[in-house]
Formats: sequence, structure tokens, C-alpha cells
Amino acid sequence: IAGITQAPTSQILAAGRRMTLRCTQDMRHNAMYWYRQDLGLGLRLIHYSNTAGTTGKGEVPDGYSVSRANTDDFPLTLASAVPSQTSVYFCASSQGFYNEQFFGPGTRLTVL
Amino acid sequence: AQSVTQPDIHITVSEGASLELRCNYSYGATPYLFWYVQSPGQGLQLLLKYFSGDTLVQGIKGFEAEFKRSQSSFNLRKPSVHWSDAAEYFCAVASSGAGSYQLTFGKGTKLSVIP
Repeated sequence: IAGITQAPTSQILAAGRRMTLRCTQDMRHNAMYWYRQDLGLGLRLIHYSNTAGTTGKGEVPDGYSVSRANTDDFPLTLASAVPSQTSVYFCASSQGFYNEQFFGPGTRLTVL
Repeated sequence: AQSVTQPDIHITVSEGASLELRCNYSYGATPYLFWYVQSPGQGLQLLLKYFSGDTLVQGIKGFEAEFKRSQSSFNLRKPSVHWSDAAEYFCAVASSGAGSYQLTFGKGTKLSVIP
């Protein structure tokens, strides 16, 4: 079934540890996105990628990095996790201009 | 910079009653607007979108939204709510980039449905 997969589903992480959230799509979409969702704040864009090999910063990029080595994968890395990065993280993808962004099921991350 | 305001944090309606969720946006150019729904523990699903043309947009699950440029609004409506509509609803505005667009979301409105 075509769509977006995210791993892990949930994770508890000690502060200071490095963590990579994985995101894979099989729809051959050119664009991919990472959002974080926090209670009362809605979703905020962390990073995005218009196409393989390019990335851009969103609204809240600090503390996060991304790479886009190929079309399908868009991992999000926390180099040194802090408690304020406790959140639910959603990966999304879209094709072209103004087409629907499809969302993955999310990763719930807790940093202690 | 663009922004989206959803004035109602939480709305409760009776099953069968009509529903209107408010959304106001701020964007310098022609807005491209979306409504997404999120069921508990799930990702987001697109309900409908407005790019241009008819200002009344039909979506899935019996939802519709009306774009009103003069009021900078894009309110979501449904004539008769079902218990399964209980979820959180997000309005979003798109800003364009090279080859893609970025969504700015409102903070969401949680809908509760009582029998």
C-alpha cells in the first residue's frame, strides 16, 4: 500500500543522546517535510526538501538536521536531544505545487 | 509572514447538529488554503483545499468550506455532524517555494460530539 512510513513509533531518549527519526515514502513525491506537533501549538515545520539533494529550514529548525540522499527517504536527526524536543513528529510528502501533503502516522518522542 | 488563527480551541456539538469551524488567515498574496482532520493517535488527513475558482469548496466526509477574501476567512462547515467526526481540525495556508510549498497551520480546534 502506497504511503509514508515512520520509525520508530515511539521512543524515550535520555537528554544529550543522538537520535534519528526515519521517514520513507513510496509515492515518488518530490517534496518531503518534517513537522512537530505540540499541544496547543498545532504543527510547526522543522525542515523540508523540495527534491532529492536539497533541503531547507522551516519555522523551528534549531537542534535538528535533515538529509535527502534519494527521493524516498528523509531522516530527521537530533544531534544532542533536549527535553524541549519532546513532541510528536510527523513526516509528510507532496508532489509538485499545491497538491495534497500526505502525512505519516507520526513518532512520539520523549526526551528525559 | 503568513499566519492562521483558529479562534475556537474546543467546540462541542450534538450529533445531527450543524457545525462551523472558524479559520482566519494572514497572507500577502493569493492564499492557498487547506483543512486537515486528525483523529486521536493518527496522522493528518486532507478534508479539502482551495486554490482558486469557486469560493465554496466541497470536501470529503460531507464537509465544505467557503473562502471569503474580504474577511480573510476559510470556515469549515458540515450540515449534520456524526459521532465519527469527533477529532481535531487544522486549517493551514500554503506559501510557495521552489518546487514545493510550506504549510503554516493554525493551532487546531478540537471537536467533541455528544449523542
